[in-house]
Amino acid sequence: QKEVEQDPGPLSVPEGAIVSLNCTYSNSAFQYFMWYRQYSRKGPELLMYTYSSGNKEDGRFTAQVDKSSKYISLFIRDSQPSDSATYLCAMSPTSGTYKYIFGTGTRLKVLA
Amino acid sequence: DAGVIQSPRHEVTEMGQEVTLRCKPISGHDYLFWYRQTMMRGLELLIYFNNNVPIDDSGMPEDRFSAKMPNASFSTLKIQPSEPRDSAVYFCASSLGTGLGYEQYFGPGTRLTVT
Repeated sequence: QKEVEQDPGPLSVPEGAIVSLNCTYSNSAFQYFMWYRQYSRKGPELLMYTYSSGNKEDGRFTAQVDKSSKYISLFIRDSQPSDSATYLCAMSPTSGTYKYIFGTGTRLKVLA
Repeated sequence: DAGVIQSPRHEVTEMGQEVTLRCKPISGHDYLFWYRQTMMRGLELLIYFNNNVPIDDSGMPEDRFSAKMPNASFSTLKIQPSEPRDSAVYFCASSLGTGLGYEQYFGPGTRLTVT
């Protein structure tokens, strides 16, 4: 079993829809949770990060962490065709390590 | 800022040949990471450096892989001899190790095909 599981998709939604992307993990030591966005043929770029449990909002994006369920989510409101990309979750046990464990990514297509 | 620079962007080589991938991190960043991305295994950390010193190379798959960072502005990942199963996209990333140090800036990647 992988430490971090992520549905590969693809997930196709109409423009304007609310998108929910999720990851589950098995290591209860993870404290730092990140979402990266990767456009086709590009490197990943950091979208959001959260520490421990709770929600964090940034514009149309909301990151949510439920440590009791070992489950993290990224919500995209009013999705746009420009949001079409692969979304990778990543996590790390402490701030002292830079060894992130990445999910395999969920491919999202927002249809105009 | 030019961002992380990687070269070449594409590499096609025959099995058994030596492959060298190059990376120039963002100026001032003190951490450098080498990743490999495949459809099956996703993004895997191979090795990372802090102030040019290798900190963790536990992700390097086997002795055929080696990485160096001779100075703060240059790193190489070498595969010798290459095998078809090494075909993947290799990313270099850098970060500034202050605070959480959570944001890693990725380069555009090198797409390696070994035939």
